[in-house]
Amino acid sequence: EDQVTQSPEALRLQEGESSSLNCSYTVSGLRGLFWYRQDPGKGPEFLFTLYSAGEEKEKERLKATLTKKESFLHITAPKPEDSATYLCAVQAHNFNKFYFGSGTKLNVKP
Amino acid sequence: EPEVTQTPSHQVTQMGQEVILRCVPISNHLYFYWYRQILGQKVEFLVSFYNNEISEKSEIFDDQFSVERPDGSNFTLKIRSTKLEDSAMYFCASDRGSGNTIYFGEGSWLTVV
Repeated sequence: EDQVTQSPEALRLQEGESSSLNCSYTVSGLRGLFWYRQDPGKGPEFLFTLYSAGEEKEKERLKATLTKKESFLHITAPKPEDSATYLCAVQAHNFNKFYFGSGTKLNVKP
Repeated sequence: EPEVTQTPSHQVTQMGQEVILRCVPISNHLYFYWYRQILGQKVEFLVSFYNNEISEKSEIFDDQFSVERPDGSNFTLKIRSTKLEDSAMYFCASDRGSGNTIYFGEGSWLTVV
């Protein structure tokens, strides 16, 4: 069965303290892996799409990487405004839908 | 930047009542989706819609639910005879086609009392 697991469930960082979030997946034929940011009571906001192992994408303090089994979202020198839940989702070749992970709730303290 | 818009943002309904959630997908997108997120839980797929018909649906999407694209811009989710456990945030989403990014609306928070 296709699955997406994110770790840790929650992460508390001091402002400027870099870290990484993990998304491990098992899916029959990966079409794409997607990272979203979700603020409380809001819809998922698109961050990155990764399609193949070895691919990397960057945006401001965020960098997403992909291997054949997992993806990492690296956060460099985070700021309080980076506090949110980060969601990982995968799309399989045979299906036009996403499987979401449970998310990592990031809290960055000033 | 184009966005998916949803109405209402919040609706409270009595158990057993029918609810219609509305969405305007991004204009050049071809695939439309409904997802839901029960408070504190994962975002779950409900249904995908393409070329005026359902292309996939989850086990959650039973006969209580239906979707419709009544005109060229709106996409609706109807929930008949609502139950307490239908209380959740319902997200509409759209994309241009397979492998492309799915963009989400801000959600409609449904509370069934």
